[in-house]
Amino acid sequence: NAGVTQTPKFQVLKTGQSMTLQCAQDMNHEYMSWYRQDPGMGLRLIHYSVGAGITDQGEVPNGYNVSRSTTEDFPLRLLSAAPSQTSVYFCASSYSRGGSITDTQYFGPGTRLTVL
Amino acid sequence: AQKVTQAQTEISVVEKEDVTLDCVYETRDTTYYLFWYKQPPSGELVFLIRRNSFDEQNEISGRYSWNFQKSTSSFNFTITASQVVDSAVYFCALRPSSARQLTFGSGTQLTVLP
Repeated sequence: NAGVTQTPKFQVLKTGQSMTLQCAQDMNHEYMSWYRQDPGMGLRLIHYSVGAGITDQGEVPNGYNVSRSTTEDFPLRLLSAAPSQTSVYFCASSYSRGGSITDTQYFGPGTRLTVL
Repeated sequence: AQKVTQAQTEISVVEKEDVTLDCVYETRDTTYYLFWYKQPPSGELVFLIRRNSFDEQNEISGRYSWNFQKSTSSFNFTITASQVVDSAVYFCALRPSSARQLTFGSGTQLTVLP
């Protein structure tokens, strides 16, 4: 198993540009999520999904969109990048039974995004 | 709402010293899960341990040990005989059974000097 994979590893955007951060997992995990990591603030949840076709907002969803068309993939879209979105983005996945997480979340390697 | 506090922002020790990383949590749920993750300089997040709220048994894994105390809402992590490779940021996290996401502490930067 490759686990949780993320692409790209690094990205530089100009203000107003759009892009999609890719996340995929091959563990057949129902639950997937996106976090952002900022200095001194730990990780904060952006969006999450408990299965294909189901997504919901986390703590800091503004400026981001997600969709879940397959179990394996959970892309994160920035529609109009802003400097405040400069951060490291982590995707995570875990098993989920009946809509609640029952297992440990495993994280991808992260995407370091800079918005100029 | 839940909260995780890691009061130690940075800790520096000399190799072979023991070091304890503190984690205090707040939740109203009676069932919850606690986690520790390690983030080495390479940046990835590595899962270390998960503890259920109904299991207060301490755990030891090699040089790592965890002390879970519900009475003080703490889940502290001790590294015995620290090594340079232990240098990393360590995160404590909480997931109440009613929640679908992890709440992270702000992390503790551990530096082990040779």
